[in-house]
Amino acid sequence: DAGITQSPRHKVTETGTPVTLRCHQTENHRYMYWYRQDPGHGLRLIHYSYGVKDTDKGEVSDGYSVSRSKTEDFLLTLESATSSQTSVYFCAISESLAVSYEQYFGPGTRLTVT
Amino acid sequence: QQQVKQSPQSLIVQKGGISIINCAYENTAFDYFPWYQQFPGKGPALLIAIRPDVSEKKEGRFTISFNKSAKQFSLHIMDSQPGDSATYFCAAGQGGSEKLVFGKGTKLTVNP
Repeated sequence: DAGITQSPRHKVTETGTPVTLRCHQTENHRYMYWYRQDPGHGLRLIHYSYGVKDTDKGEVSDGYSVSRSKTEDFLLTLESATSSQTSVYFCAISESLAVSYEQYFGPGTRLTVT
Repeated sequence: QQQVKQSPQSLIVQKGGISIINCAYENTAFDYFPWYQQFPGKGPALLIAIRPDVSEKKEGRFTISFNKSAKQFSLHIMDSQPGDSATYFCAAGQGGSEKLVFGKGTKLTVNP
């Protein structure tokens, strides 16, 4: 498996509280991604990063922010969690789709917002 | 706006049978078409991928068939095994964009 870890792996939080999910990689890959996976919706891109401090929005970015201060870490923050953000969150990394054509996924974080 | 449409949503196949999952896309600029396999509780993992300059790619029991004119591609799993039971996602990527667009997934169950 590619060297990707996500923390926490499981979290239960209350509506309105802030939540930060962490993705850590040891592959020194340039690109990092946050997806959410929901039944019937597949994988949807939230935000992605193409370098340190370089990030951009995906298709479902509302209510989420990200930060990348180091190559190896990509943080996803829910400023004020809502029940609609209950989901499984996956981090992925890529050297470059032009080089290896592959995104490597982490093990996921299951987030429940009550 | 769904750019990659995947069907069926779920599929049940007997052991030894052929599993077929189909995807259709709209954006003719897509030039990379991977399939990902996901087991319960795990992250997706790349299974096989194709570029539009070939019509078919085979790796073991897994084959991608690609029809550029119809803007469709499909995954065929020959001699399906219970260990193939998983969720399969098709995706599409475009040169110059480091993002992939995923289909909604197909849950495959192979009965023994």
